[in-house]
Amino acid sequence: DQQVKQNSPSLSVQEGRISILNCDYTNSMFDYFLWYKKYPAEGPTFLISISSIKDKNEDGRFTVFLNKSAKHLSLHIVPSQPGDSAVYFCAASAAGSSNTGKLIFGQGTTLQVKP
Amino acid sequence: DSGVTQTPKHLITATGQRVTLRCSPRSGDLSVYWYQQSLDQGLQFLIQYYNGEERAKGNILERFSAQQFPDLHSELNLSSLELGDSALYFCASSVDVGLAGGRETQYFGPGTRLLVL
Repeated sequence: DQQVKQNSPSLSVQEGRISILNCDYTNSMFDYFLWYKKYPAEGPTFLISISSIKDKNEDGRFTVFLNKSAKHLSLHIVPSQPGDSAVYFCAASAAGSSNTGKLIFGQGTTLQVKP
Repeated sequence: DSGVTQTPKHLITATGQRVTLRCSPRSGDLSVYWYQQSLDQGLQFLIQYYNGEERAKGNILERFSAQQFPDLHSELNLSSLELGDSALYFCASSVDVGLAGGRETQYFGPGTRLLVL
């Protein structure tokens, strides 16, 4: 059961344009979401997060939007740069009495930004 | 550099063998998480330790075990290895699992690439 889904395995955009990466989730208990970027042979690098009490969070060129009713979030990168080419993972966690912060990851989307 | 270190970077071994992966969390972080990334798979949560105690278990096989030591470093032990255990194993750490209810950002190490032949 894939609780976090990234339905687009890959995305290609032109440098300077907007990149939009999408993520859907099924577990209504998820209330904290993160995006990680991963280069080959490296560990995931934290990009940006959003709590379910918000619908938007912005950090420089990166903005995450959360639509709770649709159980959907997206990451916007504007403007896209060739150095953004990487695999992007969406992750989610759920509050609970167990107080565990375990993350449930999507399968990842490979972004290629062409010069 | 996330501040999380993992050793070794690469590990090649044979089926049936046992290996130990090591992780040192960021300074001050009390929680350590282990994740597995198999070929064409997303990261799968294995197990979490907080200040020396096991806090949560995910899809971790009985052949696998972990522990967190008093100095907060952690080891993941994989035994009776099978070909299917070949994967990237990542360790992540965060400051505190309890107070923010899982809101702390997890910072990942560079991973250990395990190849079982």
